[in-house]
Amino acid sequence: ETGVTQSPTHLIKTRGQQVTLRCSSQSGHNTVSWYQQALGQGPQFIFQYYREEENGRGNFPPRFSGLQFPNYSSELNVNALELDDSALYLCASSLAAGGGGYTFGSGTRLTVV
Amino acid sequence: AQKVTQAQTEISVVEKEDVTLDCVYETRDTTYYLFWYKQPPSGELVFLIRRNSFDEQNEISGRYSWNFQKSTSSFNFTITASQVVDSAVYFCALSEALAGTALIFGKGTTLSVSS
Repeated sequence: ETGVTQSPTHLIKTRGQQVTLRCSSQSGHNTVSWYQQALGQGPQFIFQYYREEENGRGNFPPRFSGLQFPNYSSELNVNALELDDSALYLCASSLAAGGGGYTFGSGTRLTVV
Repeated sequence: AQKVTQAQTEISVVEKEDVTLDCVYETRDTTYYLFWYKQPPSGELVFLIRRNSFDEQNEISGRYSWNFQKSTSSFNFTITASQVVDSAVYFCALSEALAGTALIFGKGTTLSVSS
């Protein structure tokens, strides 16, 4: 049983650029959530995808968007990057019906300069 | 609104000391779930335990134990005989469901165990 994998592990972008982060969910999991973790803070919920549709969103602007694919993998897209977007982005997969909890990946460290 | 407070920002102990990490939560839900995660320097959040709001029984797993008290809205975590490998950031989290909904995290407690 494979866990959650995220790519890339590190990324440096310039302010104003766009970025795409990728996540492969754990085998058997059909729901993917994305979290932003700023330095020294706890993870903040960005949004969740289930059956390829957004199914819950935290307090993040529309320039944060995502996709979920038929194989349950997911992408997080951030447009018009700002310096404050520098953070660790964590992906978590789960079963919508519960029972197994959440499994997190190791994250993508995004630095915006 | 749901909220998790971890008042201890950093804790430093010497190996073999016992240490308790505090977590206080707020929620209006009658059914909810509480979690503890460990985050080593590698960044991955490692699941430690979950508890549902109907189960106040305390739990012990090896050197780890958890004290859940609904009366004080607390879910504290104790490490007995701490080891250097326990050094990490520990997060308490709250959710209205076991999975499929957002986890609300506290700001974390950084535990440093020295030899």
